[in-house]
Amino acid sequence: QSALTQPASVSGSPGQSITISCTGTSSDVGSYNLVSWYQQHPGKAPKFMIYEVSKRPSGLSNRFSGSKSGNTASLTISGLQAEDEADYYCCSYAGSSTWVFGGGTKLTVL
Amino acid sequence: QVQLQQSGPGLVKPSQTLSLTCAISGDSVSSNSVAWHWIRQSPSRGLEWLGRTYYRSKWYNDYAVSVKSRIIINPDTSKNQFSLQLNSVTPEDTAVYYCARGYNYGYDYWGQGTLVTVSS
Repeated sequence: QSALTQPASVSGSPGQSITISCTGTSSDVGSYNLVSWYQQHPGKAPKFMIYEVSKRPSGLSNRFSGSKSGNTASLTISGLQAEDEADYYCCSYAGSSTWVFGGGTKLTVL
Repeated sequence: QVQLQQSGPGLVKPSQTLSLTCAISGDSVSSNSVAWHWIRQSPSRGLEWLGRTYYRSKWYNDYAVSVKSRIIINPDTSKNQFSLQLNSVTPEDTAVYYCARGYNYGYDYWGQGTLVTVSS
């Protein structure tokens, strides 16, 4: 399995919205509504942000939202805040009880 | 609140076995509704799913193709923990290793991570 494709970096100003894409194939992202997203600050473990494409865990800000179209999933962060600056990773179920991650996107808040 | 506490050596010699343990509090390794995963992260490979163990009236394991011949994940119900064993390691296995709870095909709780360096 190949890693899902994410842009290496995105940036935005405080208050703006940004979208991070995650492109897979018809064998993973395209076949299952089982994409999850994670936020990772330096030196920390990833944090669960989105599951099943668009569901938010309890307590997570509604500034974070997920969607999917075809083989591409997306994470949108609205009302950017300084603390949103981090690395973001997508992950998809890939069938046969396996999972595949994206390469990660570094978000810079200008 | 679920907490996962990892333990194990940070340095392993090439060709030897990497062994890590993940102690669970706030949930049970025998839960019928979640699974217990190992994931690693390195600059060269990014995040890589390694495998999982879970209980659904009996124990099951699934492993990534890339490590399938070298990996064992075992539950320990007496200590409410699960372990990772990766055999015949090479420097390419150097990474931060995480345990995580699988929930609805995502990972909602993570261990603190263990940097394992493979070097003589």
